[in-house]
Amino acid sequence: AQKITQTQPGMFVQEKEAVTLDCTYDTSDPSYGLFWYKQPSSGEMIFLIYQGSYDQQNATEGRYSLNFQKARKSANLVISASQLGDSAMYFCAMRASNTGKLIFGQGTTLQVKP
Amino acid sequence: DGGITQSPKYLFRKEGQNVTLSCEQNLNHDAMYWYRQDPGQGLRLIYYSQIVNDFQKGDIAEGYSVSREKKESFPLTVTSAQKNPTAFYLCASSGAGGSRYEQYFGPGTRLTVT
Repeated sequence: AQKITQTQPGMFVQEKEAVTLDCTYDTSDPSYGLFWYKQPSSGEMIFLIYQGSYDQQNATEGRYSLNFQKARKSANLVISASQLGDSAMYFCAMRASNTGKLIFGQGTTLQVKP
Repeated sequence: DGGITQSPKYLFRKEGQNVTLSCEQNLNHDAMYWYRQDPGQGLRLIYYSQIVNDFQKGDIAEGYSVSREKKESFPLTVTSAQKNPTAFYLCASSGAGGSRYEQYFGPGTRLTVT
């Protein structure tokens, strides 16, 4: 069975510092995709970054990078130079290529302190 | 502008009534999805459709029904059989095939049943 685990219910970070949000996954599919989404208090889900299971390099999108360790089945999100607007809930998700369905973790609430 | 619209943003209903949540996309995406989110929790898949006139049950389909008569539209009906319908409902769409295609989300509908 496929599963996503986010073990940090809540995190605090000082403005302008970097923060790592943890995500581990479990799947027997050889081909899969890993996603991170941001959910502000308004409720919308904002796509941040994607990592494919066959990608050789870690994905980066602006201040977001994904620390992908395939052997350990982890896909941690790193946010550099945190901003107050980064305060939100963050979800890790996995998509298997054969079904197209996304499986979400429980989420991590990040609060950025001024 | 391309995107996904959900209406209404807030919906109130009396127990025992069926209610239909609308979801429309103009992204020309083949696949569409409905998720439910309870407070402080991750998203759970209710139904999904990868092509017009076809849809599959997700993890929590009981008490819900959908239709996919047009590519652009994927309405969700919350029936009176749903034991605990009060929740935040999110609709999403994506291109079909492979694991790369990220899902784009609508702004969501907060349903309250009393």
